[in-house]
Amino acid sequence: EDKVVQSPLSLVVHEGDTVTLNCSYEVTNFRSLLWYKQEKKAPTFLFMLTSSGIEKKSGRLSSILDKKELFSILNITATQTGDSAIYLCAVEAWADKLIFGTGTRLQVFP
Amino acid sequence: GAVVSQHPSRVICKSGTSVKIECRSLDFQATTMFWYRQFPKQSLMLMATSNEGSKATYEQGVEKDKFLINHASLTLSTLTVTSAHPEDSSFYICSAREGADSQFFGPGTRLTVL
Repeated sequence: EDKVVQSPLSLVVHEGDTVTLNCSYEVTNFRSLLWYKQEKKAPTFLFMLTSSGIEKKSGRLSSILDKKELFSILNITATQTGDSAIYLCAVEAWADKLIFGTGTRLQVFP
Repeated sequence: GAVVSQHPSRVICKSGTSVKIECRSLDFQATTMFWYRQFPKQSLMLMATSNEGSKATYEQGVEKDKFLINHASLTLSTLTVTSAHPEDSSFYICSAREGADSQFFGPGTRLTVL
């Protein structure tokens, strides 16, 4: 059974802290791994990872994929209150199947 | 963990036909279900929110007469794309929530309109 597991489920930090969110997966015919940020309505796209060991970076956010150990991490440095959200990891498998994790709820306090 | 299924996973239809997509919560009662569209490498776009037994709330720009949503039970919501056209081709994803708990996403349905 395909599954995506995210940890921790919830995280509370202070502004300026660095956080690491984890996503592990067991999926048949892996194609890509995607990270989303969900604040209010719909999840917004952050990164798409297909190759191992290549870090993708966008401002204070970065992500990397390990296809051998079947996991990805999302790092956020110098967190701000605006980073408070649910971060979703999803794995795209064959036949356009998208398997989501349950998300990590991040709360950043001033 | 909570499981949400979608059926079919992939559908190809001719222009002008209607297509129904089902979203089911398999092991919990979903008081609220959400329907999204996703374009490649892009964010999900919320189309509508449906609460069991009441009319769906559509997002601005989403035609309610074209995308019919029915949430008849606590475990089933359907999205019907009426008179589908090629521009409706997309990946449709549903999610379900029980009370104020986390959302659980379905695996998506790829719609191709010829």
